[in-house]
Amino acid sequence: EDQVTQSPEALRLQEGESSSLNCSYTVSGLRGLFWYRQDPGKGPEFLFTLYSAGEEKEKERLKATLTKKESFLHITAPKPEDSATYLCAVYSGGYQKVTFGIGTKLQVIP
Amino acid sequence: GAGVSQSPSNKVTEKGKDVELRCDPISGHTALYWYRQSLGQGLEFLIYFQGNSAPDKSGLPSDRFSAERTGGSVSTLTIQRTQQEDSAVYLCASRLKDTQYFGPGTRLTVL
Repeated sequence: EDQVTQSPEALRLQEGESSSLNCSYTVSGLRGLFWYRQDPGKGPEFLFTLYSAGEEKEKERLKATLTKKESFLHITAPKPEDSATYLCAVYSGGYQKVTFGIGTKLQVIP
Repeated sequence: GAGVSQSPSNKVTEKGKDVELRCDPISGHTALYWYRQSLGQGLEFLIYFQGNSAPDKSGLPSDRFSAERTGGSVSTLTIQRTQQEDSAVYLCASRLKDTQYFGPGTRLTVL
């Protein structure tokens, strides 16, 4: 059974203080790994898809990387508007077999 | 363009009542998913529709839960004889290629 573990559960940063969120996964044949952002009271918003180890993708202050066992979401010089819960998910078989982590709740203090 | 929409945004019901939750996917997306999100829990897969194929119902927690998708577009998730443990946010997503796009969710509270 696919498993996704995200750490830390919560992270509090000062504005401008860079950090990384971790997503460790156990799957039988990774086909893709997703990162989503979720604001309170809203559905998850797609950020990135990574397919193979060594792949990297960037969007504004966010950069996602992938190894054979984990993915990192690096946040450079975060702003208060980056505060949200960040979700990681993997799929290994058919598209319906998407497994989500519980998420990391990020708070950026001005 | 328009995203995935869900209605109602909030639903409060009494234990034992039936509820219907609606999802309007993005036009042209052939795949549709329902998930449940409880406090402190990851998204729990409920059911998956792909085109005209038989739906994957493997995530439905009990026979009180059912879903249908009419005309390959709008989907309705029905929960019969609601229980307090059914309280959660119900999320719908439609998929293009390998990316799922989520709606805002329906927050269900069973008193």
